[in-house]
Parts: sequence; structure tokens; C-alpha cells
Amino acid sequence: GAGVSQTPSNKVTEKGKYVELRCDPISGHTALYWYRQSLGQGPEFLIYFQGTGAADDSGLPNDRFFAVRPEGSVSTLKIQRTERGDSAVYLCASSPATRGSGGELFFGEGSRLTVL
Amino acid sequence: DAKTTQPTSMDCAEGRAANLPCNHSTISGNEYVYWYRQIHSQGPQYIIHGLKNNETNEMASLIITEDRKSSTLILPHATLRDTAVYYCIVLSMSNDYKLSFGAGTTVTVRA
Repeated sequence: GAGVSQTPSNKVTEKGKYVELRCDPISGHTALYWYRQSLGQGPEFLIYFQGTGAADDSGLPNDRFFAVRPEGSVSTLKIQRTERGDSAVYLCASSPATRGSGGELFFGEGSRLTVL
Repeated sequence: DAKTTQPTSMDCAEGRAANLPCNHSTISGNEYVYWYRQIHSQGPQYIIHGLKNNETNEMASLIITEDRKSSTLILPHATLRDTAVYYCIVLSMSNDYKLSFGAGTTVTVRA
């Protein structure tokens, strides 16, 4: 498709389980970003990839969160030992910029994670 | 990045111009003003950005005061589909991937 694609759109899991969220960026976009949005709040930065490498992972809340982008295209956000506080919409974005984003990011519709 | 202050909510009439204010009194010289919006259940959508000159595109106009301490996003002819949360973001070009969204302004366009 033409836009950023995220799967699953909805995920319900139990506390303590492992979860993977996938992001397919716009073809040709070298930069990829993950944000998290809790109910009633604006999105918060998690991690930024330039190509295959994480250029900035300072927004990851703790070591239960990890993201990869092995071939510089699709990215997976991995959450271990999920907690109820991890419940949120996880948003992926991409941009064509080779240095930073130029501020114009293209967002997907998000993956809604609910931890029971 | 500088903080921004926006009204929590505002209503506007369909077909009329919507003027959305934003204060960013601590903005510095290498920081841009960006606007995004988020329609319910969708990801944020880029609208427009500027440094010090006024800007216009097919979606909106951005008016930045001469001292750059505030700006206004103008939707010239609001439609029901413009109902969304609008975020004013100050972004440093040295760190330009870290958008800090804040709470935004919930804009409701009424028929």
C-alpha cells in the first residue's frame, strides 16, 4: 500500500506475556520511528532508526522494550513481560530523510495494545 | 525543545475559518513551528511548518508573529472532516525526529 502499515491493529494479551508489533514503512523511506500514545495524551517518542541501526532509543521506557529493523525496511517492536501500564496505541512513522526527519513524518494508524 | 501552550478545546462553524492559536515564548533561533493533527482513531498527520515567515499550503496557513513567540494555524474553510486534535510543536533542527506532541487543541467543527 501507499502508507505506513501496522499489524496487528488490535492486540489483547495477558500480563506477563510477550508481544510483537510490526511496522511496514513507506517504500524507500530510510528513517523509521516508534511512538506510544496513552489514552487522552499526545504521542511520545520511543525510538528512531536510520537504516538498520537505532540512532536514538532514549524514549524506550525500560529494558522490556526492544525494537529491530534488520533489513532497513520492516521494523518490529518487542515487549517482554507485558504489564497493564503498557496498554496504549503504538504508532509507527517513516520519513524519506537521510538525516533526521525534516519534521515531516508519515504515521500509520497504530497498533492498540491492551494488557489484561 | 521549547514548550508550547494551546487552548484545550475550541468549536468552529462549518464553512468558516478556524484560527488555532499557539504560544511558544521560549522558542530559540534554530527551532521551527510544526503543526500536526490527529483525527479520531488515526495516526497524526503533518499539516504545515515554518521558521519565521508565514506559510501556506493546500491544507492551511501558518502565521508566525514577528518575535516568533506565538503562531496561528488557519484552516480557511473548516469542514466536518477537520474535527481533530491539533498539535503545535516546536522542533529543533538538530533533533528533528523527536516530536513532542503535548495535549493539543481538540477542534470540533459543527454544521
